[in-house]
Amino acid sequence: EAGVAQSPRYKIIEKRQSVAFWCNPISGHATLYWYQQILGQGPKLLIQFQNNGVVDDSQLPKDRFSAERLKGVDSTLKIQPAKLEDSAVYLCASSLGRVGTAGNTIYFGEGSWLTVV
Amino acid sequence: AQSVTQLDSQVPVFEEAPVELRCNYSSSVSVYLFWYVQYPNQGLQLLLKYLSGSTLVESINGFEAEFNKSQTSFHLRKPSVHISDTAEYFCAVTPFSGGYNKLIFGAGTRLAVHP
Repeated sequence: EAGVAQSPRYKIIEKRQSVAFWCNPISGHATLYWYQQILGQGPKLLIQFQNNGVVDDSQLPKDRFSAERLKGVDSTLKIQPAKLEDSAVYLCASSLGRVGTAGNTIYFGEGSWLTVV
Repeated sequence: AQSVTQLDSQVPVFEEAPVELRCNYSSSVSVYLFWYVQYPNQGLQLLLKYLSGSTLVESINGFEAEFNKSQTSFHLRKPSVHISDTAEYFCAVTPFSGGYNKLIFGAGTRLAVHP
């Protein structure tokens, strides 16, 4: 079974530029997550989709971050304009449905590493 | 709201020695508990999880964790570590509550196994 795919793996941009990350979840997984992992910290949820609808975006900095999941499959996370403090790994993850119910593990991609200079 | 505290940011240990990585959580509702492992330059991988039943859960590579409800802890242990266990370990919780739930992570513990 193919895992969660993310691209690009690495990106270096200057502050105030824009960047976009793409994620393709495991086939059939209804729930898709974007997490931000800053060096030395645990991952923090930015946004959670159920199919193509947003169910939690309470920690997404909406003035600069946006995300979409058209057609309920793959997703794009965009940052515009980027700030130095956005330097982090952006992890995409997916699950069949509600976490904690039998079999509904969250699976993570390898991450997209962003450096803002 | 839920929170997770991992008491040690770094744990150095010699190969074949035992190790314990500590995790405490805070929650007003019951939670499911997880340990994830992150090897260098890789994504997070599920190591083990507690959903219900026996409070002692095991992974396929020799790790175990015990859920202690009274102490709100879910410490991870291994009786004999290998060099290949060097990685960052994250404890996480998700609440039982209805709706679409999510993982809330601790800050992580970096395990460094030395020969």
